[in-house]
Amino acid sequence: ETGVTQTPRHLVMGMTNKKSLKCEQHLGHNAMYWYKQSAKKPLELMFVYSLEERVENNSVPSRFSPECPNSSHLFLHLHTLQPEDSALYLCASSHLTGQGDTQYFGPGTRLTVL
Amino acid sequence: AQSVTQLGSHVSVSEGALVLLRCNYSSSVPPYLFWYVQYPNQGLQLLLKYTSAATLVKGINGFEAEFKKSETSFHLTKPSAHMSDAAEYFCAVSDPNTGNQFYFGTGTSLTVIP
Repeated sequence: ETGVTQTPRHLVMGMTNKKSLKCEQHLGHNAMYWYKQSAKKPLELMFVYSLEERVENNSVPSRFSPECPNSSHLFLHLHTLQPEDSALYLCASSHLTGQGDTQYFGPGTRLTVL
Repeated sequence: AQSVTQLGSHVSVSEGALVLLRCNYSSSVPPYLFWYVQYPNQGLQLLLKYTSAATLVKGINGFEAEFKKSETSFHLTKPSAHMSDAAEYFCAVSDPNTGNQFYFGTGTSLTVIP
């Protein structure tokens, strides 16, 4: 595997379910990101981890819970989601969180909340 | 805070014609600027980036962009469109004052007409 991978690619869940999204980067990077991509809206940065520590949390509801056990893996734990949470969730990584470091994106998880 | 404006949510060009996708940003300091492309059911792929070196930046697939500070613009161009260029294009800015937080535009969908 190369680059940034995400699993599952598609997920359908009810509002009472608990699920997790997984992201893995094979680039040797030290920073990882979660974004939400909704139709007709700019990508929304949700969380940033640098060297496995959370450095950014952009007012995301607590029903989204990130976890970064090491610099290669990032999870997004989901519980009691709402239909408006349906979106494409993108993971990205970069060398560090330094100025202008290119972010490399995974293919995303298409989430549908019923 | 930074903001990015992409004029034209949909652009159609004929195969072989010039591609011009517009991006304007707001920033009080020289930013880092990026163009990404997203093909259906895929993540974002870096086309090119500007990091205060040459103002004309060449990227992959024949694309280039010119940084114009006086116009706060970073428009993306390609001399001759190919069918495979049909995709969603995103402009992004990284604010040097906020680490590596990216601000994305709402995207421009490019259609190439045979």
